[in-house]
Amino acid sequence: ETGVTQTPRHLVMGMTNKKSLKCEQHLGHNAMYWYKQSAKKPLELMFVYSLEERVENNSVPSRFSPECPNSSHLFLHLHTLQPEDSALYLCASSQEMDRAYEQYFGPGTRLTVT
Amino acid sequence: QKEVEQDPGPLSVPEGAIVSLNCTYSNSAFQYFMWYRQYSRKGPELLMYTYSSGNKEDGRFTAQVDKSSKYISLFIRDSQPSDSATYLCAIPTYSGAGSYQLTFGKGTKLSVIP
Repeated sequence: ETGVTQTPRHLVMGMTNKKSLKCEQHLGHNAMYWYKQSAKKPLELMFVYSLEERVENNSVPSRFSPECPNSSHLFLHLHTLQPEDSALYLCASSQEMDRAYEQYFGPGTRLTVT
Repeated sequence: QKEVEQDPGPLSVPEGAIVSLNCTYSNSAFQYFMWYRQYSRKGPELLMYTYSSGNKEDGRFTAQVDKSSKYISLFIRDSQPSDSATYLCAIPTYSGAGSYQLTFGKGTKLSVIP
C-alpha cells in the first residue's frame, strides 16, 4: 500500500466511548499531522509530530490524545467526546517539518459523536 | 483579519469554461502559496504551489500570485466534470522551533456541469 492510509474510514461513537483513529504513512516521511475538518470551516491543525516527538499542540482539548510510536504511525485517542467534535479527521505527512508546504493527506476518518 | 480568506462558493460552471478561484492573505512575508484539491470523501491532494510572485503553469492549471495586493489565484482552462471538487488555498506559516504549519482557506466548492 502506498501513500497515507487511515482507519477506520467511518466511526460512530457515543459520548462515553473510547476509540482510536489510526494513520500510517508509507512515504518515509519524518513529520506527521492531525487535522480536523468541519463543515464551512478551514482545516484546523491539531497536532504535529516530528521524528515521533510532538512539536505542536494547537490548544486541543485533552479529550483528544495523540500518540506517535514511530515515524510511520500516528494515533488519535478519543474519549468523552462532544457532539461538536463530529468532523472529518485527516492525517498528513511531510518529508520534514520545514517542508510542511508539501503535505500528503490520508482519506480521513468521518467521525460522528452521538 | 484572518490570515487566509477564501470564498466558499459554491461555484457552478459549464464544461469548457475558464474557472478562476481566489484567495487573499494578510501577511506580506508569506512566500509559498499552495493549492490543494479535495474530491468528495477524500483527503486534500497538493495540486501545485508557487514561490514568491508570478505565475506557474501545469497543463490546464495556472497558479498566480500578486504580492502587491496579497491575492492568489488558480485558473482552470477548458474545465472538465472531473475538475469538480473543493479547492483549498494554503499558506505555510512559521510557528517556531523550525516548525511550519499550513493555514488553509475555507475552500471553494466547484461543480463543472457537462
